[in-house]
Amino acid sequence: GENVEQHPSTLSVQEGDSAVIKCTYSDSASNYFPWYKQELGKGPQLIIDIRSNVGEKKDQRIAVTLNKTAKHFSLHITETQPEDSAVYFCAASTYSSASKIIFGSGTRLSIRP
Amino acid sequence: DAGVIQSPRHEVTEMGQEVTLRCKPISGHDYLFWYRQTMMRGLELLIYFNNNVPIDDSGMPEDRFSAKMPNASFSTLKIQPSEPRDSAVYFCASSLSPPPSTGELFFGEGSRLTVL
Repeated sequence: GENVEQHPSTLSVQEGDSAVIKCTYSDSASNYFPWYKQELGKGPQLIIDIRSNVGEKKDQRIAVTLNKTAKHFSLHITETQPEDSAVYFCAASTYSSASKIIFGSGTRLSIRP
Repeated sequence: DAGVIQSPRHEVTEMGQEVTLRCKPISGHDYLFWYRQTMMRGLELLIYFNNNVPIDDSGMPEDRFSAKMPNASFSTLKIQPSEPRDSAVYFCASSLSPPPSTGELFFGEGSRLTVL
């Protein structure tokens, strides 16, 4: 089955700097890669996703890139702000295993003022 | 819409007791998921329902766990008897259709379970 690895587990960046979180997946059939943000005491919330027919996707200060050959995908946050502090999860899924989204282990991002 | 509603938010119980966690999905969502979150294992899918029917329960850890969805607006996750290793945050999520199609799971705020 699918296995998703996520790095780093913790990340601290200065406010205004960029943050990058990286994930790898094992199942070459995976074709859907969402990213979720979990704030303290809340459930995860989708912030951006990418499908295998796209190499990059941007939404304001966040962007995701996908390298299907290497089975890598990454989340980039630019101009970080205090409200970006949270735990971020990458995930992977295939249409053949509908609804079985496999999550990475999470990255705790802290923004230093 | 109020979003996915879970109860209780916190539950502390003693080993051997029965625990029931409840979930109200977003109205109109045909898919309901139960996840468990722990430090060691991260977010694990336990079971999911489509139109109130359990589709995949391969993530349910053992027979002590059971889940039901008697109607489109209510689901329960029951642990009987509970054990300390069941301590975790349990999330319910719903979606309009399988996530690969729609791209979004809507999570509740979770039920934090502590088994002493």
